Amino acid sequence: GENVEQHPSTLSVQEGDSAVIKCTYSDSASNYFPWYKQELGKRPQLIIDIRSNVGEKKDQRIAVTLNKTAKHFSLHITETQPEDSAVYFCAAFQANTGNQFYFGTGTSLTVIP
Amino acid sequence: DSGVTQTPKHLITATGQRVTLRCSPRSGDLSVYWYQQSLDQGLQFLIQYYNGEERAKGNILERFSAQQFPDLHSELNLSSLELGDSALYFCASSSPRGGVRETQYFGPGTRLLVL
Repeated sequence: GENVEQHPSTLSVQEGDSAVIKCTYSDSASNYFPWYKQELGKRPQLIIDIRSNVGEKKDQRIAVTLNKTAKHFSLHITETQPEDSAVYFCAAFQANTGNQFYFGTGTSLTVIP
Repeated sequence: DSGVTQTPKHLITATGQRVTLRCSPRSGDLSVYWYQQSLDQGLQFLIQYYNGEERAKGNILERFSAQQFPDLHSELNLSSLELGDSALYFCASSSPRGGVRETQYFGPGTRLLVL
């Protein structure tokens, strides 16, 4: 089955700096990669996703890049704010054929004011 | 609000007991996923149903079972509870009829505490 690895497990940045979280996956059949943000005690919320026919996607201060050859994808948050502090999870899925989302182990991001 | 609802929000019970967690997917979604999240841990996939049928099984214990009903709501049954079963249980839904299959939305979770 698929194996998703996520790094780093914890990340601290100064407010206004950028944060980058990286994930690798093992199954080349995976073709949908969502990112979730989870605040303490709350539900994971989808913040951005990317499909394998696209190399990069942006939504305001958040961007995701995908390198299919190397089987890795990254989340980029620019101009970080204290409210960006949360745990971020990446996942991999085989759209149209897959039945299970494979999640990374999470990155705890702290933005220091 | 994701449109996925879960009840109850909190549940406190004793070891050896049995509980049922309920999930209502977003209107029109056919898939329901169940996840377990222990303190400071990641999301452990338990089981997935699609339109009433079991589609995938993850790290689900034999003491746990689930089902999806004709109206598409799902229940997760946890029996012979142990202290280690204390966790946040999430359900998520996806696959609206005729829509984008893969986008997954999570419910607010049920926090289970086994004493």
